[in-house]
Amino acid sequence: EAGVAQSPRYKIIEKRQSVAFWCNPISGHATLYWYQQILGQGPKLLIQFQNNGVVDDSQLPKDRFSAERLKGVDSTLKIQPAKLEDSAVYLCASSLYGQEQETQYFGPGTRLLVL
Amino acid sequence: GDSVTQMEGPVTLSEEAFLTINCTYTATGYPSLFWYVQYPGEGLQLLLKATKADDKGSNKGFEATYRKETTSFHLEKGSVQVSDSAVYFCALRTDSSYKLIFGSGTRLLVRP
Repeated sequence: EAGVAQSPRYKIIEKRQSVAFWCNPISGHATLYWYQQILGQGPKLLIQFQNNGVVDDSQLPKDRFSAERLKGVDSTLKIQPAKLEDSAVYLCASSLYGQEQETQYFGPGTRLLVL
Repeated sequence: GDSVTQMEGPVTLSEEAFLTINCTYTATGYPSLFWYVQYPGEGLQLLLKATKADDKGSNKGFEATYRKETTSFHLEKGSVQVSDSAVYFCALRTDSSYKLIFGSGTRLLVRP
């Protein structure tokens, strides 16, 4: 079974530029998550999708971050414009139904450096 | 709000030593508890989980017991190997939001 795919793996941009990350979850998984992991910290949920609807985006900085999952499969996360403090690893995860006891499967992450 | 606190690392051990990584939590209700591991250059992987009080999760020689009275979920292994070197994250998930809340991670380095 293929895991969660993410691209690119690394990205370096200058502040005020825009950037987009792509995620393809495990086939058949209805729930998709984007997490931000700042160096030395645990991952923090940015947004959770159930199929193509948003379940939780309470910690997404909506003035600069946006995400979509148009067909309920793959997803993109965009930052525009980027700030220095956005330097982090962006992790995508998926689970079958999004229920409490389910395992979330994580992709390898996209490491973003904002200069 | 809900939170997880882990012991700070790095934890450095010799091969075959006993490992304990402490984890305590604050949460309303009855959360599920998880340990995730992140090997160098790889994504987070679920190591073990426990979904109710007194449950013991185990995998690959690692164990953790859900202690509601002390709000703890400490990770243990009787004999660590060099290949266990990684960052370990404790996490919880509540039935009110279903999102994972992670601790800050503990880096383990095992020397031959």
